[in-house]
Amino acid sequence: QVQLQESGPGLVKPSETLSLTCTVSGGSITSTDYYWGWIRQPPGKGLEWIGNIYYYGATYYNPSLKSRVTISVDMSKNQFSLRLTSVTAADTAVYFCARMSGYAPTDYWGQGTLVTVSS
Amino acid sequence: QPVLTHSSSASASLGSSVKFTCTLSSGHSRYIIGWHQQQPGKAPRYLMKVEHSGSYKRGSGVPDRFSGSSSGADRYLTISNLQSEDEADYYCETWDSHIWVFGGGTKLTVL
Repeated sequence: QVQLQESGPGLVKPSETLSLTCTVSGGSITSTDYYWGWIRQPPGKGLEWIGNIYYYGATYYNPSLKSRVTISVDMSKNQFSLRLTSVTAADTAVYFCARMSGYAPTDYWGQGTLVTVSS
Repeated sequence: QPVLTHSSSASASLGSSVKFTCTLSSGHSRYIIGWHQQQPGKAPRYLMKVEHSGSYKRGSGVPDRFSGSSSGADRYLTISNLQSEDEADYYCETWDSHIWVFGGGTKLTVL
């Protein structure tokens, strides 16, 4: 059973950088069948795809966030990470990591972590 | 990229059935979609994938009260014998050329 767990600060100041890590257990991040992604959900709103990474480093980003997002992978730790720069209050959301695919729906989700942008 | 549009939120009684629709935008009617359930305060949970042919496959551990179907650009999620724990938001998802999209979601209230 694959499990994903997000970690990182729950409070970030405006204009600073949001950084989160997702640790994958029960499966290898080097699987050629999957992408590893980040999705967020502002309070009371729907789901927004942020971006994905393939194990060897190929990345794909939501065009609306592309200029501020970097996703990276650490195969030795079975982890992948999210950096979102120049945050504002509009980036306040629950951030989920997930296992995604190019030929099937997202099938595993982390429990999510709330990140609040506030001074 | 594709756009997904959900049917309106619904209220239904315990033990009854409900059917939700997720509509794919023009030019994307043959795409596979996934349905996800999000109970209040929890992470989304993968329910199933639904193909243009109407074929569907539930995720691991998803009860057979949940089923899928399809007609043209519409992908359906039917929940039978409603239980209180089915009260949740439901989202559809699809992807194209390394872009992933979610519908805006629809809410189910169980009376």
